[in-house]
Amino acid sequence: GAGVSQSPSNKVTEKGKDVELRCDPISGHTALYWYRQSLGQGLEFLIYFQGNSAPDKSGLPSDRFSAERTGGSVSTLTIQRTQQEDSAVYLCASSHTPDRGSTDTQYFGPGTRLTVL
Amino acid sequence: AQKITQTQPGMFVQEKEAVTLDCTYDTSDQSYGLFWYKQPSSGEMIFLIYQGSYDEQNATEGRYSLNFQKARKSANLVISASQLGDSAMYFCAMREGTGRRALTFGSGTRLQVQP
Repeated sequence: GAGVSQSPSNKVTEKGKDVELRCDPISGHTALYWYRQSLGQGLEFLIYFQGNSAPDKSGLPSDRFSAERTGGSVSTLTIQRTQQEDSAVYLCASSHTPDRGSTDTQYFGPGTRLTVL
Repeated sequence: AQKITQTQPGMFVQEKEAVTLDCTYDTSDQSYGLFWYKQPSSGEMIFLIYQGSYDEQNATEGRYSLNFQKARKSANLVISASQLGDSAMYFCAMREGTGRRALTFGSGTRLQVQP
């Protein structure tokens, strides 16, 4: 079956512009995660959606970052007024359900490489 | 304090030999899961193997096995019979049973398999 897909694969933007990154999870997966991978910080958790519950936004680095998940499927990560330090690879992952304790496996998409000039 | 520590930034191994990638973790939870992912140069994170904190047997998946030593809080990945295609970054990650549901990753180990 189809894996997690993300678009665009690459995005170059100018400092101060807004960007939207899209994630389409594996069909039937109820949990969706956004991570950021940068040279200086490694892999960092950003935000987590589970079904219709309120998202866990505890990893968002600033209020310039927001995300939504429509219809329990596709998610969009929005970065407003981008800064050069936002340059990174943004990875999306999905899992079937985290409610089975710690056993659930997250499957990752190919990522979006964001470059802020 | 680091929750996941990978002390080997880079490793070399000869083709067909076995290699062990180290991972230690820190948690006060009794229930947790440990994962290894492979990230080739293409960038995609590929799930390799999972070990639950209550699993009594070490996990195995084909050429991958996880040497789980709970008392030492270590979860080393063993790759047997290395292949050139195993050259990649390898990340150890933990999901704790309570609190945040996301994975916490180590800094990774870059493995290079030499012919």
